[in-house]
Amino acid sequence: SAVISQKPSRDICQRGTSLTIQCQVDSQVTMMFWYRQQPGQSLTLIATANQGSEATYESGFVIDKFPISRPNLTFSTLTVSNMSPEDSSIYLCSVGQGSYEQYFGPGTRLTVT
Amino acid sequence: GNSVTQMEGPVTLSEEAFLTINCTYTATGYPSLFWYVQYPGEGLQLLLKATKADDKGSNKGFEATYRKETTSFHLEKGSVQVSDSAVYFCALSDRGSSNTGKLIFGQGTTLQVKP
Repeated sequence: SAVISQKPSRDICQRGTSLTIQCQVDSQVTMMFWYRQQPGQSLTLIATANQGSEATYESGFVIDKFPISRPNLTFSTLTVSNMSPEDSSIYLCSVGQGSYEQYFGPGTRLTVT
Repeated sequence: GNSVTQMEGPVTLSEEAFLTINCTYTATGYPSLFWYVQYPGEGLQLLLKATKADDKGSNKGFEATYRKETTSFHLEKGSVQVSDSAVYFCALSDRGSSNTGKLIFGQGTTLQVKP
């Protein structure tokens, strides 16, 4: 399976600021995804990061709040914009491989004060 | 739409006890089914998978069988260890006509194993 790293691993940010999270994969992959895991909750898909085109966002998530870049087949970024305490979550990237399974990065723990 | 329902936790067991975590799903078509595990402070790890009816996924002593007739994918382990304490997520893939590869997760079940 692919090895996935994320930066930063955690951060504490002030309300109103933005944070960009990086996701790096050790091999080329077609499908990359970004998820949010709010405290004590399950995972919710934010968007699918498409290489060479705009990301596909799920209902309830918009590009202005969560802009995503996918410049090549091994890298993607997610920005959490104009943050509020409600954005405090773990943000995870994943890659799709094989029989539709996904492999996840270690996550970025974000706290907004 | 597609959905996954897991038994509510937390589940507390003594070491060497038998584990069952129930998972049922609703889906159009023929999804692949997965169990993921999240250890404290870590990301998700794929534990096992099954891609078609009657398939049995297994890993690290855990097993789950894809039951199309009951739309279930229950996770079992014969003898749990303290190191199995984690949150377990059941998930299905969106293999519909859009073939997006999206995963839909259940709400997660916390397992605590006591020595």
